[in-house]
Formats: sequence, structure tokens, C-alpha cells
Amino acid sequence: QVQLVQSGVEVKKPGASVKVSCKASGYSFSAYGITWVRQAPGQGLEWMGWISAYNGNRNYAQNFQGRVTMTTDTSTSTAYMELRSLRSDDTAVYYCARDSPHKGYDFDYWGQGTLVTVSS
Amino acid sequence: QSVMTQPPSASGTPGQRVTISCSGSSSNIGGNYVYWYQQLPGTAPKLLIYRNNQRPSRVPDRFSGSKSGTSASLAISGLRSEDEADYYCAAWDDSLSGVVFGGGTKLTVL
Repeated sequence: QVQLVQSGVEVKKPGASVKVSCKASGYSFSAYGITWVRQAPGQGLEWMGWISAYNGNRNYAQNFQGRVTMTTDTSTSTAYMELRSLRSDDTAVYYCARDSPHKGYDFDYWGQGTLVTVSS
Repeated sequence: QSVMTQPPSASGTPGQRVTISCSGSSSNIGGNYVYWYQQLPGTAPKLLIYRNNQRPSRVPDRFSGSKSGTSASLAISGLRSEDEADYYCAAWDDSLSGVVFGGGTKLTVL
């Protein structure tokens, strides 16, 4: 069965960086893209960007351009999202999700989420 | 402020039919597919509807989606207590060159 398992809780100080991992299993990792979405406490969903696990092509949301880097390691079927220059308003649950087979902009399997807290 | 607008809350009694609206613009809903997600408390979102009105096989047919112009709707018939959740619409936005989500609607089953 398809599973995305994310790394654990992170606590960071303002100005630091965080790198969240997302290990995939149960499918051919290179055949699907990975999207990252975040959710601040009590707030809605925010799309951060996408990376192709096939060729590494990326598309980052304008709000995160210059501050985020998404990568994949096909040898371990793991995707990574690094966010730099953290601010308090980056405190959120970060989700990875797999692109669906429908070749659209929908995501059919999600990780369990990683809470990142930014606090001095 | 979300690019696509949803009512913050909706409610219904068991067995009722409820609809949740999502209003956008020509750069998102008007020219692209709409998707709907359900997020139960404390869990990751789950895909409910893709390509405006298609359901993944594991989603009950009580859930249906529609789109007209720059607006879309999610309908839930035969409302059940386990449907109490947050619901989000989503679409690609040509102006932003990215996926945008609605602000979410909290559904309460009375």
C-alpha cells in the first residue's frame, strides 16, 4: 500500500533552516511528483510547491521563492523540503503529498504531517 | 486572504443534503479543474473530488462535485456524523502559476 512517512517534530529559532523528509513506499517513486503543503495552526492549506521525482523539475509558490528548496533521492525514495530564514509565521504542519495518477493538480496520498515550531 | 472564497461554516442534520460553495475567478476555477479535500480533525487532508466531479473509488457516492463558470460546489447527501470535518476546494491558478486552496469550510453535523 502507498505510504508517505514524514520526519518528526522540529523546533527552530528565527533565522534558522529546517529540512523535512518524506519517505515513500508502495509505489514506483520516480513515476509521481511530490507536492508540499503547509497549514498554520487553526488556518487553511497553503501550497508550497512541487517536484518531479522523475527528473527533478520544480515549481515553487511565489510566496516561497528564494527561501525553499525541494529535492528527491530516488535511491531511498525520499523527498525533502528545506525552508530557510525561518520566521514565527512559518510555524505550521508541513505535509508532503503524492500527485495522483489523474495527471492534474490533485494529490491522492498524504504524509502524516510534520509540525515545525519557530520560536525564540 | 484566499484567492478562492468558501463560507467559513456550514451545518446540517443527519440524513440531510448540504452544499459547500467555492467562488474563484477566470484564472483558477474558470479555466481549470476543481478539486475537493476533506480534513478530519487532527489528520491529513483526503482527496474527495478531482476534475470537478470525479470521485476516487474509495469515496462514497454521497459526495459529488459540480462547477459552473467561476464557481464550484461540493454536495454531501445523506449527511452522517463522520462527515464532520473541514472541506477545502483547490485549483490551479494561471496568474499565480500554482495551486490555490479555498479558505476552508467547517462542516458541523448537528
